Amino acid sequence: EIVLTQSPGTLSLSPGERATLSCRASQSVSSSNLAWYQQKPGQAPRLLIYSTSSRATGIPDRFSGSGSRTDFTLTISRLEPEDFAVYYCQQYGSSTWTFGQGTKVEIK
Amino acid sequence: QLQLQESGPGLLTPSETLSLTCTVSGGSVSTSDYYWGWIRQPPGKGLEWIANIFYGGNTYYKPSLKSRATISIDTSRNKFSLKMSSVTAADTALYYCATVNRRGAVYSFDDWGQGTLVTVSS
Repeated sequence: EIVLTQSPGTLSLSPGERATLSCRASQSVSSSNLAWYQQKPGQAPRLLIYSTSSRATGIPDRFSGSGSRTDFTLTISRLEPEDFAVYYCQQYGSSTWTFGQGTKVEIK
Repeated sequence: QLQLQESGPGLLTPSETLSLTCTVSGGSVSTSDYYWGWIRQPPGKGLEWIANIFYGGNTYYKPSLKSRATISIDTSRNKFSLKMSSVTAADTALYYCATVNRRGAVYSFDDWGQGTLVTVSS
């Protein structure tokens, strides 16, 4: 089972700043099978990015994804107040799915 | 857009079997576009994938839960279900059902239910 490790655990930033979130895999992950989700308190997760860099429907272009093999990144170019949340990466490989432990983006 | 709604008992005692159902609306479970999946989230913690199923019957399980979990699908009622045996307090969590996008072999969780809280306590 592939383990995903996200860093940092918490990111303290101000609105308007750039956020860079990391997701590292214990084995190589196909670029087609790496996704990112946003979760706000009391809500279900929402798909942001699939296939490493493709934005899901309705996701603003300040969200972008990149990476390959074992290192993947979610970037929020300029944080809006509604972007403060927990973010999870997720991969598929060998008929199993796993999530990272999450990165909390909080207001500084 | 597909809508998913979880249902099931909110409180179980240790050793009982958890039974959850996800009702799908806005589309059919008998589609090659999706797997149908269950994910859980213990209070204050992260997401854990449990199992997925295809309408044709193929199933996929998290290895550590495979011995206790059973996922099934009822195409006539447009629902899918999860059973987990011998529950303990460690199974206390918010349980989500979700679609798993098979188009282009992407395998992301696209649409989510609102979640149902299951508490295991004596």
